[in-house]
Amino acid sequence: DGGITQSPKYLFRKEGQNVTLSCEQNLNHDAMYWYRQDPGQGLRLIYYSQIVNDFQKGDIAEGYSVSREKKESFPLTVTSAQKNPTAFYLCASRRSRGNTEAFFGQGTRLTVV
Amino acid sequence: AQRVTQPEKLLSVFKGAPVELKCNYSYSGSPELFWYVQYSRQRLQLLLRHISRESIKGFTADLNKGETSFHLKKPFAQEEDSAMYYCALDNNYGQNFVFGPGTRLSVLP
Repeated sequence: DGGITQSPKYLFRKEGQNVTLSCEQNLNHDAMYWYRQDPGQGLRLIYYSQIVNDFQKGDIAEGYSVSREKKESFPLTVTSAQKNPTAFYLCASRRSRGNTEAFFGQGTRLTVV
Repeated sequence: AQRVTQPEKLLSVFKGAPVELKCNYSYSGSPELFWYVQYSRQRLQLLLRHISRESIKGFTADLNKGETSFHLKKPFAQEEDSAMYYCALDNNYGQNFVFGPGTRLSVLP
């Protein structure tokens, strides 16, 4: 079953704790992205990576960190520095830059309790 | 910096009526523009891209560089078109891939 998979679907975190969201793809895509989806604000770009071992900050990177050690994997860590982490997080991948279709995961809903 | 705006948060039309979802962008170069759609309980998926000049599910979108717009149109809306629609922009260098805030389309019977 090919595609892009995010896990877990729901995640609860206590304040002050770091938490890592998983994103895996078996589409052999070079580019991967993390977005945060809030009601009324659409998708806001957190981090993106065009190639293994390289990644760039998006518009709202503060309080988040990523790694890209493997082509298939692009985990996102929500740190305790993120002031308002409760949100829906979406991961996407694309074959390359430019005019290529992005494929999205099912999303992870993170709730801070 | 590149930016995408969608002025309508919610758009309601009756079945069979024409629909237009507006998208404007700010980018100094030549952008790649897309429309993505999210149906209820489904993943976000590509609807169409400007470079292909295609019509998908009756929807079309024309890039107007003078007005920096990429509005999505359909002459006769169907109930199954009810969904969240996002306009997205990529610059030629693929250094960023940004989305607008989205418009929820509701097609009433």
